[in-house]
Amino acid sequence: AQRVTQPEKLLSVFKGAPVELKCNYSYSGSPELFWYVQYSRQRLQLLLRHISRESIKGFTADLNKGETSFHLKKPFAQEEDSAMYYCALMNNNDMRFGAGTRLTVKP
Amino acid sequence: NAGVTQTPKFQVLKTGQSMTLQCAQDMNHEYMSWYRQDPGMGLRLIHYSVGAGITDQGEVPNGYNVSRSTTEDFPLRLLSAAPSQTSVYFCASRLSGSRSYNEQFFGPGTRLTVL
Repeated sequence: AQRVTQPEKLLSVFKGAPVELKCNYSYSGSPELFWYVQYSRQRLQLLLRHISRESIKGFTADLNKGETSFHLKKPFAQEEDSAMYYCALMNNNDMRFGAGTRLTVKP
Repeated sequence: NAGVTQTPKFQVLKTGQSMTLQCAQDMNHEYMSWYRQDPGMGLRLIHYSVGAGITDQGEVPNGYNVSRSTTEDFPLRLLSAAPSQTSVYFCASRLSGSRSYNEQFFGPGTRLTVL
């Protein structure tokens, strides 16, 4: 069965520091992976998806099939990055989310 | 476009009561889904639909029913509410069930408490 693990419930960094939110998955096929973000009092929204190989708001994520990971990275964190981040894996029409990591960026 | 709308925003039920959570989208999306969000567990898929008249179960379907009579609406029914169904419920939609990399759009959520 597919599963997504985000080992850190809470992550706190200072403004300007690098940040990495970890995501590991278990899935036997070729995964379709996503990062979603939920800012305070806002809806859950797509941040980026591995298939697009894009950088959004300075965030990137690389799919590592050998390590079954899809970690989210940003070289210089900003206070506005404080939010709840979810890693998700899509298999056909079944999307599985990780438990989420709450990122706090301190001034 | 209003996007994905959900009603009500908050609801308190007693054990055994029934209710329907409403979800509508005006983006002509074929795919719609319901999730529940619980602390420490992320979002879990309850049911989904790839088009009018077609529904299927997700990860945690027990205790919930759905139907899809129109493209726009996808209501979630709790037939006999239980305290374990206390959660925040999110509805989502996207363009096509076959192209899973399409962006999902989420509603604002319904906070349900079952006493």
